[in-house]
Amino acid sequence: SQQGEEDPQALSIQEGENATMNCSYKTSINNLQWYRQNSGRGLVHLILIRSNEREKHSGRLRVTLDTSKKSSSLLITASRAADTASYFCATDASDYKLSFGAGTTVTVRA
Amino acid sequence: DAGVIQSPRHEVTEMGQEVTLRCKPISGHNSLFWYRQTMMRGLELLIYFNNNVPIDDSGMPEDRFSAKMPNASFSTLKIQPSEPRDSAVYFCASSGDISSQHFGDGTRLSIL
Repeated sequence: SQQGEEDPQALSIQEGENATMNCSYKTSINNLQWYRQNSGRGLVHLILIRSNEREKHSGRLRVTLDTSKKSSSLLITASRAADTASYFCATDASDYKLSFGAGTTVTVRA
Repeated sequence: DAGVIQSPRHEVTEMGQEVTLRCKPISGHNSLFWYRQTMMRGLELLIYFNNNVPIDDSGMPEDRFSAKMPNASFSTLKIQPSEPRDSAVYFCASSGDISSQHFGDGTRLSIL
């Protein structure tokens, strides 16, 4: 079952603009991860944020976590055509099990 | 640095046939996962191995599905007999710790 739910389901932006997507989850977590999936490829790990962290950066990515609202956001700044992909949040359902959301499909127009 | 390798990349077969999907995890990773991805159900965990031992197979849909990991560098997922509703993309992922999972590029399976 999917614990994380991404919003919006799809997003279309112009190259250079920022893209923001949100993830909501239901139960307590130890950490939350974001993954990217390009068409026809496997998921690629982007970033992990722990439950005691509020914000984390990695290159053009910025992730926030609000455990009181059980939500996270992923911001991609200065988007490029190569950022076109589906983005998934994943919460730790157990020590080893990740529960993935349905994903946000991002299209970056040239 | 080789990632997770899956084979075949595509498989098209007729209903009732046996299907075997293969996975080579990243060397040194002690956890291996098989997932299934469909539009309707998203990404579902089928089975989890730790140190070659199946720990959680609660996601395996039916007895028609079986998975083995005979050694640290190889795993198989078998479907026998296959049915059209098994059509999906099957991913193998490996992990050395809880911080991330590394996915292969998947096997796109079509059962006619």
